[in-house]
Amino acid sequence: DGGITQSPKYLFRKEGQNVTLSCEQNLNHDAMYWYRQDPGQGLRLIYYSQIVNDFQKGDIAEGYSVSREKKESFPLTVTSAQKNPTAFYLCASSGGTTQGRITYEQYFGPGTRLTVT
Amino acid sequence: LAKTTQPISMDSYEGQEVNITCSHNNIATNDYITWYQQFPSQGPRFIIQGYKTKVTNEVASLFIPADRKSSTLSLPRVSLSDTAVYYCLVGATGNQFYFGTGTSLTVIP
Repeated sequence: DGGITQSPKYLFRKEGQNVTLSCEQNLNHDAMYWYRQDPGQGLRLIYYSQIVNDFQKGDIAEGYSVSREKKESFPLTVTSAQKNPTAFYLCASSGGTTQGRITYEQYFGPGTRLTVT
Repeated sequence: LAKTTQPISMDSYEGQEVNITCSHNNIATNDYITWYQQFPSQGPRFIIQGYKTKVTNEVASLFIPADRKSSTLSLPRVSLSDTAVYYCLVGATGNQFYFGTGTSLTVIP
């Protein structure tokens, strides 16, 4: 059963603690992405990785860190430096190209809702 | 930098055709245009993707004019279950890509 898994679905943390969100895919996709979504808002890109051991900052990378040691895994750490970490976090992956053109047909996980108090 | 623009919200009665347009003036030459559907507290779901002219699948059609500076997602005969937020996603030069602001569609009985 192929897809993307994120765990946990709900996560609660105290202010000042770092927390790591898991994202795993078995679709053999090269590219993986992390997005943040606030209530009633669109998706904002945090980090993305197009290949193992390489990743780039998105629009709102401050206060977050990632690693890409394996093709299947792209964990996101929300650090204590992130001023407003409470949000819905979505992970996605994509194959990268189709027929020589860049495709953004991204497959999304179910999301992790992080609440920091 | 390229940005995408969509209407914030739309209402439609059941059974009508709904057209949602996304403007993307700086789309990259070789990139597809992709549309997603999102229900509350779920990840977005792929609907349709196209490069030019018209693409149709079992749930929607996508119309792309020759200049590719916009695209229109067409949902035929919407039902209550089509109430969701719809996003376009396009690529821009410099290996960037942008999700649209999202259009909240409400289908009315």
